[in-house]
Amino acid sequence: DIQMTQSPSVMSASVGDRVTITCRASQGISNYLAWFQQKPGKVPKRLIYAASSLQSGVPSRFSGSGSGTEFTLTISSLQPEDFATYYCLQHNSYPRTFGQGTKVEIK
Amino acid sequence: EVQLVESGGGLVKPGGSLRLSCVGSGFVFSSYSMNWVRQAPGKGLEWVSSISSSSTYIFYADSVKGRFTISRDNAKNLQYLQMNSLRAEDTAVYYCVRGTDGDYDYWGQGTLVTVSS
Repeated sequence: DIQMTQSPSVMSASVGDRVTITCRASQGISNYLAWFQQKPGKVPKRLIYAASSLQSGVPSRFSGSGSGTEFTLTISSLQPEDFATYYCLQHNSYPRTFGQGTKVEIK
Repeated sequence: EVQLVESGGGLVKPGGSLRLSCVGSGFVFSSYSMNWVRQAPGKGLEWVSSISSSSTYIFYADSVKGRFTISRDNAKNLQYLQMNSLRAEDTAVYYCVRGTDGDYDYWGQGTLVTVSS
């Protein structure tokens, strides 16, 4: 099984900060990676697919990069509505695996 | 507009059974793989099961293999998750998710399953 390790688990940041979240795969997954945002009590929302493609309707301050085993989600300038939990998902092989999540909190 | 609506959740005793349903609309249901993802209270996302568009390929997480069965009825735009021998650790919100090239693009609102005596 492919393990997805996200870091950090929790981070405190301020509005306007540049935020970077990392997801590492235990083996190569090419670009079969997606990023999701989830707010409390809400449904996960896809932000990035194919590691670096921006989902339609998602603000351009979100970007994804990486291939193989290391991936990053970057928020260029954190906005109040971005405080949430972020998950990566590998869909290279079964079982599908999510990262454990990164909670972005207000500093 | 793509919509996925789950139903069938509720309170069940340990060892009991429940069948979840998910109806899709706004897209050609028979052309997409479908999936179930769950989230225990206060926890992260966990993939549960996937079924290909024509039911040829089916996959399960080890945690549910042998107890859960995924199926679909393309004529009715429905997918199902039959859950047997339920355990406390199966307590979660269960999401119906559409698959596109293996990725998960649309999610339902979720249905809560609580396993408790």
